Formats: sequence, structure tokens, C-alpha cells
Amino acid sequence: QKEVEQDPGPLSVPEGAIVSLNCTYSNSAFQYFMWYRQYSRKGPELLMYTYSSGNKEDGRFTAQVDKSSKYISLFIRDSQPSDSATYLCAMSGFQKLVFGTGTRLLVSP
Amino acid sequence: EPEVTQTPSHQVTQMGQEVILRCVPISNHLYFYWYRQILGQKVEFLVSFYNNEISEKSEIFDDQFSVERPDGSNFTLKIRSTKLEDSAMYFCASSGYAGQVTDTQYFGPGTRLTVL
Repeated sequence: QKEVEQDPGPLSVPEGAIVSLNCTYSNSAFQYFMWYRQYSRKGPELLMYTYSSGNKEDGRFTAQVDKSSKYISLFIRDSQPSDSATYLCAMSGFQKLVFGTGTRLLVSP
Repeated sequence: EPEVTQTPSHQVTQMGQEVILRCVPISNHLYFYWYRQILGQKVEFLVSFYNNEISEKSEIFDDQFSVERPDGSNFTLKIRSTKLEDSAMYFCASSGYAGQVTDTQYFGPGTRLTVL
């Protein structure tokens, strides 16, 4: 079983849709959970960072962590064409980040 | 806004040659990392560095790889004898201010290494 599993997509949605991106993980030692956005041939850009189970909201983005189910989610409200990118989940116990494969999101005008 | 910078953006080298990839982490960060991403694959951890020594490394980080913080601002990754399979994007990241334990890692734009 992979440490972190993420559907690679692509996920295609119309502008204005609510997007749900998900990851599952197997390592109970993970305590920190992050979502990064990556444009083609660029570095990962940090979007959201959470430590505990629950929800965290930042503008149009909501990150959700369920440690009991080992499941994390990122919701994007009112999606825009500029949100088209690959979204990477990442998690760690300390220091070393373990990434999912990334989900490619396409938001069409 | 402070950011991690990396040079060069693209490096082409012949198999067997040595390459040095350079990074300037965010000022006052204490933890430094190298990751790589082979085209079409996920981002993989290589090494973490704290207090002038390696704190953790992956199986990928074998004897061909080394890291160094030669001065107060630069952080380098050296590959002694490059192989074709070393072709990838290499990302530097940094995190952690004094007195704060955090895994919020900020990534640079990457160096694309092409080994011919």
C-alpha cells in the first residue's frame, strides 16, 4: 500500500464549480498536512497547511483533515480558469514531506 | 514576500560529469531540503539539513549526492557522477524559524537537470 494515494485526474470542471480534491494515507505518524499547487514545470506553491483534524478555511479554499479515516480533502469554491494546475497533497511526521502524485485540475471558462 | 531562489533554471550535462545545483533559502529559515521530481512522477524527498548537518536522507540520496551550506545564504546539492536517471527537476525548500517547530516548507522554482 502506498503511503499517500491521490487520484491523478485530470479533473475537468466548468468555471464556478465547487472542486473536491482528496488524498488517503496509511502512516498514522503523519501529523502535518499540506496542499500545494504546481503549475507546469514550476515549483510547488503552498496553499494550505493544517495540523489537526477538522477544517481550515482561507478565502475560496477549505482544507479538511480526518485523521481517524486517514483522509484529507481540499475544496475550492467558485473555481476559476486560473485555478487550473496540479494540486499536490503532502504530509509529514517531522521534516520529510511525502507527496501524493498530484491531481491535475482543468477549469474551463 | 521572501522566497526560495534556485540557479541555474536549467542545467544540461554529460553522463559522468559533476553538477552543483544552488539554492538560496528564505532568510532566517533553519531547515533546508532537496526534493526531486522525475517528469510525470511525484515529488520525492532527497535530504534534509539542519544545523550544518544532514538530519534525514532517502534511499535515493546515495554516495553520489552531497549537500553543503558553504556560507550563510547558499545551500548546494552536488551530484558527483551524473547518470541518465538523474534527469529530473530538483527543488530546494526551506522551513522553520528559530523557536518555531513547523513543517511549512516553501519551495523554490526548481532546476531542470538534463543528463545526456
